[in-house]
Amino acid sequence: QLQLQESGPGLVRPSETLSLTCTVSGGSISSSSYYWGWIRQPPGKGLEWIGTLYYTGSAYFNPSLKSRVTISVDTSTNHFSLKLSSVTAADTAVYYCARHVLTYNYGSEIKGWFDPWGQGTLVTVSS
Amino acid sequence: EVVMTQSPGTLSVSPGETATLSCRASQSVSSNLAWYQLKPGQTPRLLIYGTSTRATGVPASFSGSGSGTEFTLTISSLQSEDFAVYYCQQYNNWPPALTFGGGTKVEI
Repeated sequence: QLQLQESGPGLVRPSETLSLTCTVSGGSISSSSYYWGWIRQPPGKGLEWIGTLYYTGSAYFNPSLKSRVTISVDTSTNHFSLKLSSVTAADTAVYYCARHVLTYNYGSEIKGWFDPWGQGTLVTVSS
Repeated sequence: EVVMTQSPGTLSVSPGETATLSCRASQSVSSNLAWYQLKPGQTPRLLIYGTSTRATGVPASFSGSGSGTEFTLTISSLQSEDFAVYYCQQYNNWPPALTFGGGTKVEI
């Protein structure tokens, strides 16, 4: 059974870089059938997609965050990572990693839904 | 970017009743819509993908319908464990951005 687990500091100072890792177990991150994604949920708010990447390193980002986001993958250790630079209090959120399932729409491959998810990790931006 | 709007924001129901949750897209997303269940302190759970296909292990009390811009998640015979926040997500029109609705809280 595939499982994902986020890890990283729970407190980050304003203007610094948030760094999180997602460890994948029970399956290979190098599977050609899946992408891997990051999603966040600020306190009391809804879900926001951050970005998605393939094991080859190709990635897609939310335009609202693109200038500050780096996502990378390490196939040797079966994990992928998120870096968000120049953080502010608005970046305080529960951060989730998830497997991003590929599907097809009229014969074209699209990145679809997220399943499964990690349990999430709360990152607070505060001095 | 496709804006997903969920209604109502909060739905108060009693155990055993049926809950009907709505999700509207600002433009057509075909049938490329998923639903998730989130509970505090728990791992988010995929319920529905492709508008109406239940994910593995999801009971038949959950059903999805709709197409284009209007979608519905129906939860019949509500159990105590079904009280949660539910989100829809479109995966048809991206890039630029994959988008979620604002969520519907189902409470007693």
